[in-house]
Amino acid sequence: GAVVSQHPSRVICKSGTSVKIECRSLDFQATTMFWYRQFPKQSLMLMATSNEGSKATYEQGVEKDKFLINHASLTLSTLTVTSAHPEDSSFYICSAMGAGTSLGTQYFGPGTRLTVL
Amino acid sequence: EDQVTQSPEALRLQEGESSSLNCSYTVSGLRGLFWYRQDPGKGPEFLFTLYSAGEEKEKERLKATLTKKESFLHITAPKPEDSATYLCAVQAANYGGSQGNLIFGKGTKLSVKP
Repeated sequence: GAVVSQHPSRVICKSGTSVKIECRSLDFQATTMFWYRQFPKQSLMLMATSNEGSKATYEQGVEKDKFLINHASLTLSTLTVTSAHPEDSSFYICSAMGAGTSLGTQYFGPGTRLTVL
Repeated sequence: EDQVTQSPEALRLQEGESSSLNCSYTVSGLRGLFWYRQDPGKGPEFLFTLYSAGEEKEKERLKATLTKKESFLHITAPKPEDSATYLCAVQAANYGGSQGNLIFGKGTKLSVKP
């Protein structure tokens, strides 16, 4: 139980284009979803938290106009990297927590590797 | 300041050689402590949640324990497939950010040689 999927698993795009990453909770309703970024050999860095039907809360230093987050349903959240640049290349991971799962536990997706040329 | 420290940074074991990973924490109030396993190029895989001192949980060769200051992840008779980075994270009761936010340690990279 408590499976989270992400799509795509990897994406390569040209500088200036926008990229959308989907995060889905497959077998539970995710009241809260989180988006992280991970650089090589470093731990996860929280970017934003979103609750279903409300605006995302962004961590300090994360540009909300660049990283658009939508949590439209209890099973789907999307992260759109707008006008991507090479410095946005990273490993993006989502997580979800919600009803019917271990209290307070975040379940992570497999991650999306973004490469901006 | 809320903080999570994992040690050692890296650990090399021979297959069958049992050991423990440490996660020490300082938080204003612990809501939960979480252990995850992360393989290269993958998202963290959930292992255990511990809520209060004295609690223990087991899964196959892994056993997690919790005190008021630290948690241990004991690995009994490890196999090469246990090689991964093990992450510890805490959820602080009085964290000023969004509910559910985790404070991660930097992880312990475990290598098990056959």
